[in-house]
Amino acid sequence: AQKITQTQPGMFVQEKEAVTLDCTYDTSDPSYGLFWYKQPSSGEMIFLIYQGSYDQQNATEGRYSLNFQKARKSANLVISASQLGDSAMYFCAMREGEAGNMLTFGGGTRLMVKP
Amino acid sequence: KAGVTQTPRYLIKTRGQQVTLSCSPISGHRSVSWYQQTPGQGLQFLFEYFSETQRNKGNFPGRFSGRQFSNSRSEMNVSTLELGDSALYLCASSFQGLGETQYFGPGTRLLVL
Repeated sequence: AQKITQTQPGMFVQEKEAVTLDCTYDTSDPSYGLFWYKQPSSGEMIFLIYQGSYDQQNATEGRYSLNFQKARKSANLVISASQLGDSAMYFCAMREGEAGNMLTFGGGTRLMVKP
Repeated sequence: KAGVTQTPRYLIKTRGQQVTLSCSPISGHRSVSWYQQTPGQGLQFLFEYFSETQRNKGNFPGRFSGRQFSNSRSEMNVSTLELGDSALYLCASSFQGLGETQYFGPGTRLLVL
């Protein structure tokens, strides 16, 4: 079974509108972390936001927020006020357990912002 | 603070050759992880090094190996290259590798002909 599922291969959003990118995960470990990364066409993975499994509040970082629904095992990324520079691939990733750094990635969502 | 650097950025090799990729982590970071990204398989974890020791290994054949030096710089080596090894190889560093955020380098694009 897929550990990280991103069901939207591609999405369009109008500039200045908000957009939600979906991510569901599967783990039996009570301790885990969820990450979102942005990958522009240049290839570099840019860290956006992190949510720990024990965090009580949803994470926010500037225009990025994470809609964490633990019971549903979902960690959707919300980008507010989209900008043209937000056009990129977005990856959801999970780290299981408290030691080690192995990340399991979803298949990604290509976001395209229309002017 | 300088970010993660990877060299070379682009590489073309032929089947059967070997290749060595280099990664310099963010200053002070001691954990270095390597990932392979291909259109077919997506992003896959190769291995992680901490304090010059391999701490975790993904599901890749023994042709893929790595090492870490005392200054935390890391190299990965692929021997007997196959066409399917063509990929973007990404290196990521973190402070101690205890689940904290990993920061990625720009990657090395390897093309095997």
